[in-house]
Amino acid sequence: SQELEQSPQSLIVQEGKNLTINCTSSKTLYGLYWYKQKYGEGLIFLMMLQKGGEEKSHEKITAKLDEKKQQSSLHITASQPSHAGIYLCGADMNRDDKIIFGKGTRLHILP
Amino acid sequence: DAGVIQSPRHEVTEMGQEVTLRCKPISGHNSLFWYRQTMMRGLELLIYFNNNVPIDDSGMPEDRFSAKMPNASFSTLKIQPSEPRDSAVYFCASSLGQGAQIETQYFGPGTRLLVL
Repeated sequence: SQELEQSPQSLIVQEGKNLTINCTSSKTLYGLYWYKQKYGEGLIFLMMLQKGGEEKSHEKITAKLDEKKQQSSLHITASQPSHAGIYLCGADMNRDDKIIFGKGTRLHILP
Repeated sequence: DAGVIQSPRHEVTEMGQEVTLRCKPISGHNSLFWYRQTMMRGLELLIYFNNNVPIDDSGMPEDRFSAKMPNASFSTLKIQPSEPRDSAVYFCASSLGQGAQIETQYFGPGTRLLVL
């Protein structure tokens, strides 16, 4: 069973449009990490969230961890072709070193 | 810093052969992780080490897989004998911290393994 559920599994948006990716857990998240993976390459760290209600932004990407610390959303404003790739959320659920990952959301940007 | 280094970047082998994947973590990091990524199963944690000691190998698929970390700057993941279903991208990651003080994991570029 998948402990972290990401939605949607894939997303196709027109360049310039906004989009949101969700990451949901049935357990409390002690650390929530967002990574981006370009097709055929390794993972690139985007942001880390730890506190309920915390929100962080990097350029046009904003991520938030809800107050209950069981769901996070990643929002991209005015999407660009460079945003295309696979977005993975990872979570520390047991306060150990293990990060459990979701299956990812494949984002395609249409020019 | 060079980041996490993995070798080889690509490996093509025949079923039954032994495969050894290598990883050099970021200097100073005390935790090292091996992951496998496939389209069907996504990114799965295979095993992780803390201070060179294996902490959790529950993700290792079966006895054909083994991992070692002889020192703080080197780890290997070995598959013997390899099977076509082992074809995947294998990532190594390292991090600094333990428990609640964990920092994020830094990933290597991955090794693409194809077993024919």
